[in-house]
Amino acid sequence: NAGVTQTPKFRILKIGQSMTLQCTQDMNHNYMYWYRQDPGMGLKLIYYSVGAGITDKGEVPNGYNVSRSTTEDFPLRLELAAPSQTSVYFCASTPNLGGRNEQFFGPGTRLTVL
Amino acid sequence: DAKTTQPTSMDCAEGRAANLPCNHSTISGNEYVYWYRQIHSQGPQYIIHGLKNNETNEMASLIITEDRKSSTLILPHATLRDTAVYYCIVMGESNYQLIWGAGTKLIIKP
Repeated sequence: NAGVTQTPKFRILKIGQSMTLQCTQDMNHNYMYWYRQDPGMGLKLIYYSVGAGITDKGEVPNGYNVSRSTTEDFPLRLELAAPSQTSVYFCASTPNLGGRNEQFFGPGTRLTVL
Repeated sequence: DAKTTQPTSMDCAEGRAANLPCNHSTISGNEYVYWYRQIHSQGPQYIIHGLKNNETNEMASLIITEDRKSSTLILPHATLRDTAVYYCIVMGESNYQLIWGAGTKLIIKP
C-alpha cells in the first residue's frame, strides 16, 4: 500500500490564483481530513469527510472547498489565494471514527502565496 | 474534548530513556490518550494510544495515572532519529477531530 499520497509537494501561488491540492489513499478508509499547519504550531482541521459524498467543515474552513466523489480521493480547492493561506497542508485518513483508530498522514504540500 | 498541557521542549541523551509528560486533567471517561510525533515537518506519525491501562508497542510505552489526569510517553532507548515534536492528544470515541497543541520538541543529544 502507498498509504496517503499528496500532490504537489511544493507550490508557489500569486495572490488571487486558485489551485487544487490532491489527496489519495489506497487503504479503503472511510474518514479523510485536511489540516493546515503554520510554523511552530499544531495542526488545524480545515475540512473532513466521513465517506464518499459527505463532507463537513472543521475549525478553519474559510477560503477552501472540498469534494469527495470516491472513497480514495479527497481534493482541497483554494479559491482566490491569500498570503494567510501560506502553510503546510496535510491530508489524513482513518478507517473509523473515534478514539480507537489512528490517523494516517500524507507527506504534506508546502504552499506559499505571494 | 479535553485539552492537554505539555512542556515546550526537552533534551535527552542518546541511549537513555526519554520520558515525555502530558497533563489532561479534564479528560472524560470515554476519551483516549493518543501520542503522535512529527519529524522535521513530515506528516505526523502515530505512536501509541491508551484508555486506562498502560500500553506498550514496538515504539514506546504509555503510562497513564490511575486518575487518568496525566500520562507519560516513554521512549526506552532514544536515538538521534527520535528528535521530533511529540503531540499528546485526547479524543473521544465519537469525535472526528484531533485537537493539536504545540507539542513538546524533544532533542536527542549524542
